[in-house]
Amino acid sequence: QEQLVQSGAELKKAGASVKVSCKGSGFIFNGYFMHWLRQAPGQGLEWMGWINPNNGVPKYAPKFQGRVTVTRDRAISTAYMELSSLRYDDTAVYYCARGDAEYLLDVWGQGTTVIVSS
Amino acid sequence: DIVLTQSPLILPVTPGEPASISCRSSQSLLHGNGYKYLAWYLQKPGQSPQALISLGSGRASGVPDRFSGSGSDTDFILTISRVEAEDVGVYYCMQALEAPLTFGPGTKVEIK
Repeated sequence: QEQLVQSGAELKKAGASVKVSCKGSGFIFNGYFMHWLRQAPGQGLEWMGWINPNNGVPKYAPKFQGRVTVTRDRAISTAYMELSSLRYDDTAVYYCARGDAEYLLDVWGQGTTVIVSS
Repeated sequence: DIVLTQSPLILPVTPGEPASISCRSSQSLLHGNGYKYLAWYLQKPGQSPQALISLGSGRASGVPDRFSGSGSDTDFILTISRVEAEDVGVYYCMQALEAPLTFGPGTKVEIK
C-alpha cells in the first residue's frame, strides 16, 4: 500500500541541527510534491515547505526560510528535512506528507518526534 | 499569509446526529481554474492527520459518504450527516491556494 515511513525520534541540544528522513513506497515517488509540517505539543498543524519532484526546487514558509532545507533522493524514494539552529520551541512532531495535483496532503508519515533540550 | 478561523473550537456530538464545522478564510480561495483550494483533515487521537475533503467538496479516497464539504469562496462547512464514535478527534481546514499553506486552529469533536 501507499505509505511514507519516517526516521526515528531525535533528542537534540539547542543550536544543533536535525535531519529527518521520509521514505515512500507503493507509489511513484517522483510524481508527487513532498510536504513537511510540524505540530508542537498540544498545538495545531504548521506547514514548513515542500519540494517539487520535477525539478527538485523547494519552497519554504517564510518563518523557516534560512533554517530549513528540504531535499530528496529520487533513487531511493526518500525525502529529507533538515532544520538548523534548533531552539526549544522547535520541539514538535514533524510530518512528511504527499501532495497530490490539487495540493491535497493525501498520504502522511507516522511523524518524527524532535525534542530540543539544554 | 491567508488566515483561517474555525468555529466552534469544541463540538460535543451525539452519535447518530449530524454535526457541522465552519471554516472562514481571510481572502477568497477561488483559483483562476474555478476550484476552491480548501481541504479538510481529521487527526484522530494519537494518529497522523488524514485527508477528508479536497477542493472544498470532493471526498478523498476511502472517506465515508457521511462526510461532505461545501461553501462559498471564503466560507466553508464540513458536515457529518450522522456522527459515529470513530469520528472523534480534531478537524482542521487548510488552504492550498498560495504558499505558505495555512491551517485553521482546529475543532475538537468529542462525544457528549
